[in-house]
Amino acid sequence: GENVEQHPSTLSVQEGDSAVIKCTYSDSASNYFPWYKQELGKGPQLIIDIRSNVGEKKDQRIAVTLNKTAKHFSLHITETQPEDSAVYFCAALDYKLSFGAGTTVTVRA
Amino acid sequence: SAVISQKPSRDICQRGTSLTIQCQVDSQVTMMFWYRQQPGQSLTLIATANQGSEATYESGFVIDKFPISRPNLTFSTLTVSNMSPEDSSIYLCSVTLRYGANYGYTFGSGTRLTVV
Repeated sequence: GENVEQHPSTLSVQEGDSAVIKCTYSDSASNYFPWYKQELGKGPQLIIDIRSNVGEKKDQRIAVTLNKTAKHFSLHITETQPEDSAVYFCAALDYKLSFGAGTTVTVRA
Repeated sequence: SAVISQKPSRDICQRGTSLTIQCQVDSQVTMMFWYRQQPGQSLTLIATANQGSEATYESGFVIDKFPISRPNLTFSTLTVSNMSPEDSSIYLCSVTLRYGANYGYTFGSGTRLTVV
């Protein structure tokens, strides 16, 4: 089955700086790669996703890149703000969604 | 995207008892799933809830422990049976309009279960 690895496990950035989270996957059949943000006491919220026929996608301060050959994808958050502090999960879909271990992002004011 | 209502939002239960969690969606969806998130951990798929038939369980999860019902396209329940402290987790319902890469997967707010 699919195995998703996510790094780093924790990330502390100064407000206004960029944050990058990287994930790798094992199953070349995976074709959909969402990113979720989970705030304390809440369920995961989809923030951006990318499909295997696309290399990059942007939505305001958030972007995701996908390298199918290397089987890795990354989340980029620019101009970070305190409200970006949360746990972020990457996932890959083959026949089911498999999740990375999560990255706790702390934005220092 | 679909809006999911999950009940209860949290509960504290005695070991040996059972708890049934409800998931209600505001629109008809093809796929409904149940996940477990242990404290400080990632999400693990328990099973896919199939309308009108037995759920499809992932390795390590069995129907006797986690019976699931899905009577229609908008509602499902997950029961955590004969609970022990190791069952203390967040249980999450997730849905998608269609299977595959063309539709997003939405999560409910979760049920925070503590077993004492």
